[in-house]
Amino acid sequence: DVKVTQSSRYLVKRTGEKVFLECVQDMDHENMFWYRQDPGLGLRLIYFSYDVKMKEKGDIPEGYSVSREKKERFSLILESASTNQTSMYLCASSPRGGRFYEQYFGPGTRLTVT
Amino acid sequence: GNSVTQMEGPVTLSEEAFLTINCTYTATGYPSLFWYVQYPGEGLQLLLKATKADDKGSNKGFEATYRKETTSFHLEKGSVQVSDSAVYFCALEADTGGFKTIFGAGTRLFVKA
Repeated sequence: DVKVTQSSRYLVKRTGEKVFLECVQDMDHENMFWYRQDPGLGLRLIYFSYDVKMKEKGDIPEGYSVSREKKERFSLILESASTNQTSMYLCASSPRGGRFYEQYFGPGTRLTVT
Repeated sequence: GNSVTQMEGPVTLSEEAFLTINCTYTATGYPSLFWYVQYPGEGLQLLLKATKADDKGSNKGFEATYRKETTSFHLEKGSVQVSDSAVYFCALEADTGGFKTIFGAGTRLFVKA
């Protein structure tokens, strides 16, 4: 059974803290993605990676960075958390090839910044 | 640019009712179209997809037909169950290369017994 796991289901952090969200996939997929999900806005792409050590900005990269040191792991970093980063964060992966391939999602991390 | 518009929810239906969730898109070229479903407490999972005009995707009793002339991909099910209660996302992958998928805002469905 294919799997994308995320390090935490719920996380509460204070403003200004550095926050790490971890994602691991066991499907040997090349592509990995980080989205945030907000009511009424759907999913918005923050960053994606199509290979180890490679990263591309998505639609809303400001305030975030990413790291991909190993193929199976893709980390999202909030350098200095702010209250407007309170959201649901979803990680996904897909095989190389792009078109027609579905994305496989983790269960999400609900982050609250106080 | 590329975008997806789907009907606002929530949609509330009784069990065995007919379901339609509207989805229209704007895209250059010939996008692939998807419906994803998110059950409570879970991540999204692919429900069905269509990769070219007039294709019909189907799964678990749900269907959607890729209509290029109306740029639509409406989701339908003939008889919903309580277990279909979830959030449904329409999405497209544009024919512009790269790996980006554009998601709609999502439509929450409640099915009452």
